[in-house]
Amino acid sequence: TQLLEQSPQFLSIQEGENLTVYCNSSSVFSSLQWYRQEPGEGPVLLVTVVTGGEVKKLKRLTFQFGDARKDSSLHITAAQPGDTGLYLCAGAGYTDKLIFGTGTRLQVFP
Amino acid sequence: EADIYQTPRYLVIGTGKKITLECSQTMGHDKMYWYQQDPGMELHLIHYSYGVNSTEKGDLSSESTVSRIRTEHFPLTLESARPSHTSQYLCASSELQASTEAFFGQGTRLTVV
Repeated sequence: TQLLEQSPQFLSIQEGENLTVYCNSSSVFSSLQWYRQEPGEGPVLLVTVVTGGEVKKLKRLTFQFGDARKDSSLHITAAQPGDTGLYLCAGAGYTDKLIFGTGTRLQVFP
Repeated sequence: EADIYQTPRYLVIGTGKKITLECSQTMGHDKMYWYQQDPGMELHLIHYSYGVNSTEKGDLSSESTVSRIRTEHFPLTLESARPSHTSQYLCASSELQASTEAFFGQGTRLTVV
């Protein structure tokens, strides 16, 4: 079974602070995605990374895929209350089924 | 906006009842998934399908069953609901190629009393 561990599990910060969320596995993934989920809704895709070492930026969010394609990170600069939500990484493995990480719940206070 | 729909949004049902959670998508996606999620927690894959007449069990053991008779429809059935089945159930679909975006429905919150 392929497992994706995220850390931290919970993060509570003030507006304007920076943060990094990690997604780690012992398995190699063909691609890795990051989703954000708000209460009462399904997850929505933020980004997909497919190449080892790849870095993608989405406004204040920076995503990196590890060189060995086993891990990824999400860095948020100057967090805002609108960033509050559950952040989930998801990996597509050898069977192409999409496996989700353990999740990071982010709360940004004004 | 994603064209994937789940019904009902909320369901409260007694122990022992049979229930079917509906999921339909209009995007022509071959892959469909069912995930189980407790509030604010990780998603556990319970069933997936690569197309018509294809169904596979996910990593989390589930007493539910699924069927895929039509591309757009992927219902999940519980023959005899129990309180341990109380959870949120999320349906998703994606194109067949790897690395493509999964689109999610809004989920069904099931409570078994």
